[in-house]
Amino acid sequence: AQSVTQLDSQVPVFEEAPVELRCNYSSSVSVYLFWYVQYPNQGLQLLLKYLSGSTLVKGINGFEAEFNKSQTSFHLRKPSVHISDTAEYFCAVSGIFNKFYFGSGTKLNVKP
Amino acid sequence: EAGVAQSPRYKIIEKRQSVAFWCNPISGHATLYWYQQILGQGPKLLIQFQNNGVVDDSQLPKDRFSAERLKGVDSTLKIQPAKLEDSAVYLCASSSLRTGFSNYGYTFGSGTRLTVV
Repeated sequence: AQSVTQLDSQVPVFEEAPVELRCNYSSSVSVYLFWYVQYPNQGLQLLLKYLSGSTLVKGINGFEAEFNKSQTSFHLRKPSVHISDTAEYFCAVSGIFNKFYFGSGTKLNVKP
Repeated sequence: EAGVAQSPRYKIIEKRQSVAFWCNPISGHATLYWYQQILGQGPKLLIQFQNNGVVDDSQLPKDRFSAERLKGVDSTLKIQPAKLEDSAVYLCASSSLRTGFSNYGYTFGSGTRLTVV
């Protein structure tokens, strides 16, 4: 079975500060890992994904994530956030048959 | 490339009424998924189709939810009768084994927001 835990339901941060959104997963098989962003009243947009290879993955909008197999983590980071990054962020794991298992989401609130 | 199309965008119904949602996946994508996203939670898979066959419907409340993909292209998800706890966003996604998780290999639609009153 696969599952995802997002440790923070809300993360407040000031504009231009760095941010880290935490994600831990559990799986008995090799997995693919994803981060999605969801703006209010919009669908899910892929930020980045880890399929294989380099454990540091760069995505859109300046975000990056690092896959850590020993700690079963896939934390999302951005060195300097903007007001426009205010949204909800979902970590997801996928394995057999490409089914996605999502975390409960982290609301990032960027303050001026 | 056209994305996953869903309609309607919004729907408000009274409890015990029925409702249907429609999804048209990306052309050529054999696999289609329906997810339910309750407010404050991550999306949860309801059903997965491979062409017109069901791969996984273990999380689908079959006493009131049904889904079909008769010709292996577009799909309909129905709720009958609806309950208050069915209020959620219903997301459709499609994927292709050939393209895997490439940029267009797994795509979500914008969803249908259902409010049951």
